[in-house]
Amino acid sequence: EAGVAQSPRYKIIEKRQSVAFWCNPISGHATLYWYQQILGQGPKLLIQFQNNGVVDDSQLPKDRFSAERLKGVDSTLKIQPAKLEDSAVYLCASSLAGTENQPQHFGDGTRLSIL
Amino acid sequence: GDSVTQMEGPVTLSEEAFLTINCTYTATGYPSLFWYVQYPGEGLQLLLKATKADDKGSNKGFEATYRKETTSFHLEKGSVQVSDSAVYFCALTRANFGNEKLTFGTGTRLTIIP
Repeated sequence: EAGVAQSPRYKIIEKRQSVAFWCNPISGHATLYWYQQILGQGPKLLIQFQNNGVVDDSQLPKDRFSAERLKGVDSTLKIQPAKLEDSAVYLCASSLAGTENQPQHFGDGTRLSIL
Repeated sequence: GDSVTQMEGPVTLSEEAFLTINCTYTATGYPSLFWYVQYPGEGLQLLLKATKADDKGSNKGFEATYRKETTSFHLEKGSVQVSDSAVYFCALTRANFGNEKLTFGTGTRLTIIP
């Protein structure tokens, strides 16, 4: 089966600019996650979707970050305006259903550098 | 809140050496425990998991046992290879009203020298 697809792989922008990342989960996976992985740290959950509804966005900086999954399939994560501390790898993951016994499958991530 | 503490790296070993990467956790209830591996330039891949106390997860020669009494899930391999060079993350999740977010440790970078 095809894995989780993310684009772009790399992005370089200046602070205060905006940026968007795209994720296409594994076909049939109802749950989609966005994680932020800062260099030297483990990934941290930003937002979790179940189909097109938000399950958890408690750690999403809502003043600058937004995410949507309008048709319950692919998803977009946006940052506007970007800050230097947003430099990180943004990982998308999906799972078959929202239960702890279904593993999360990760994409290769988008590496964002803020100048 | 939930947390995972991993052995600090980097760890450098010779090929065929024995590997242990320590992981301890703090969580209420009965979390599921995972080891993920991240090869250079790639996303995370599930290496193994254990969902209840005394379970042993295993894959590709790696093993980890869920020890509730010591709140630990140490990763071991008897004979490492150069291809095992990667960053290893310990993680946990608790099913909570459908929220299965993974809480990760900081990762341990492993380098195997031929």
